[in-house]
Amino acid sequence: QVQLVESGGGVVQPGESLRLSCAASGFTFSTYAIHWVRQAPGKGLEWVAFIRSDGSIRQYADSVKGRFTISRDNSQNTLSLHMNSLRVEDTAMYYCAKDLGAEWLMLDYWGQGTLVTVSS
Amino acid sequence: EIVMTQSPATLSVSPGERATLSCRASQSVRTNLAWYQQKPGQAPRLLIYGASTRATGIPARFSGSGSGTEFTLTISSLQSEDFAVYYCQQYNNWPLTFGGGTKVEIK
Repeated sequence: QVQLVESGGGVVQPGESLRLSCAASGFTFSTYAIHWVRQAPGKGLEWVAFIRSDGSIRQYADSVKGRFTISRDNSQNTLSLHMNSLRVEDTAMYYCAKDLGAEWLMLDYWGQGTLVTVSS
Repeated sequence: EIVMTQSPATLSVSPGERATLSCRASQSVRTNLAWYQQKPGQAPRLLIYGASTRATGIPARFSGSGSGTEFTLTISSLQSEDFAVYYCQQYNNWPLTFGGGTKVEIK
């Protein structure tokens, strides 16, 4: 069955960097786009980033553009999110989510998330 | 950016009753709209895409309708497992955007 397992979350200070990973299994990883979506404590969902199945197209929310970089390794079935210049407002649960297709933009499977806390 | 507005913020419904949730887009998204369900401590689950197509394994009591800027998610007869928060999401334009959510609680 489809599994997405996030890792790499933790507590960091403002201005620091963090790298999140998402390990995928149970489907042909190279065929599907993948997204990162975050949820601040007690708040709603915020889409963060997208990478197409072949890695050729990436999109970012304005709130993270220039600070976050999404990448994937189709040979290892892994997704990464490099987060630089972290801010207090980046504190959230970060989910990786599988797209319904190569670029359908609906998210049909989600991991359980990894928590990022940015605090001084 | 397309702003998605959901109403009401909280909906109190008795088990077995019908629930109607609304989602409005600040500009037309055609039928490029999805609905998700999220229970406490869990990741969201895709319910509906294309405004009205149920995702794999979603019960028939969930239905979606609408196009353009006005959308509705209807749960025909609420079961105990349906009490959760529901989010709409547009995927017509970048950036993808979610509504603020509607919490469906037991009356």
